[in-house]
Amino acid sequence: AQKVTQAQTEISVVEKEDVTLDCVYETRDTTYYLFWYKQPPSGELVFLIRRNSFDEQNEISGRYSWNFQKSTSSFNFTITASQVVDSAVYFCALSEPLLYSGGGADGLTFGKGTHLIIQP
Amino acid sequence: SQTIHQWPATLVQPVGSPLSLECTVEGTSNPNLYWYRQAAGRGLQLLFYSVGIGQISSEVPQNLSASRPQDRQFILSSKKLLLSDSGFYLCAWGTSYEQYFGPGTRLTVT
Repeated sequence: AQKVTQAQTEISVVEKEDVTLDCVYETRDTTYYLFWYKQPPSGELVFLIRRNSFDEQNEISGRYSWNFQKSTSSFNFTITASQVVDSAVYFCALSEPLLYSGGGADGLTFGKGTHLIIQP
Repeated sequence: SQTIHQWPATLVQPVGSPLSLECTVEGTSNPNLYWYRQAAGRGLQLLFYSVGIGQISSEVPQNLSASRPQDRQFILSSKKLLLSDSGFYLCAWGTSYEQYFGPGTRLTVT
């Protein structure tokens, strides 16, 4: 069965600090997708990034960067020079395409989320 | 472009009352549809998914049911709500490759 663990329940930092959100996943499949979503106080989920299991290249998008390491089954998310607007709950998620999972849901398996608080 | 709607946005219901939450999608045909629940202090959990009209799969045993009477309509129901049904319910469409979420319904069972 697939599982996503976000061990950090809550992180609080002062604005402009760098912060890394950890994500560890478990899956028996070799083909899968990993995601990060942001959930601001409004509740709506905002898609941030998707990586497939065959692409271990790290990605940078502005102040956001992601470190995907299959060897440690981790997909960590770093915010550089954090801002107050980054305050939100961040979710890491995993999915396995039905074609490869042998059936079952192709929905996302989410971690419990990390509540990030950026203090001014 | 595709749009996903959910209503109501918030709902307060007494224990034992029925429930009906609605989700509709615009701008796409024959979408895969999903219901997730986010309980307090927990991550999002997949409840139901549907690959077509009348086709519903449940991921976890529970007090809830789902129906898909039309191609782009997905309904979450309960005959008698429990306190444990409280949470934030999100509808989504897409596939394992990409999922798009609606604005959610916040349900409080009192």
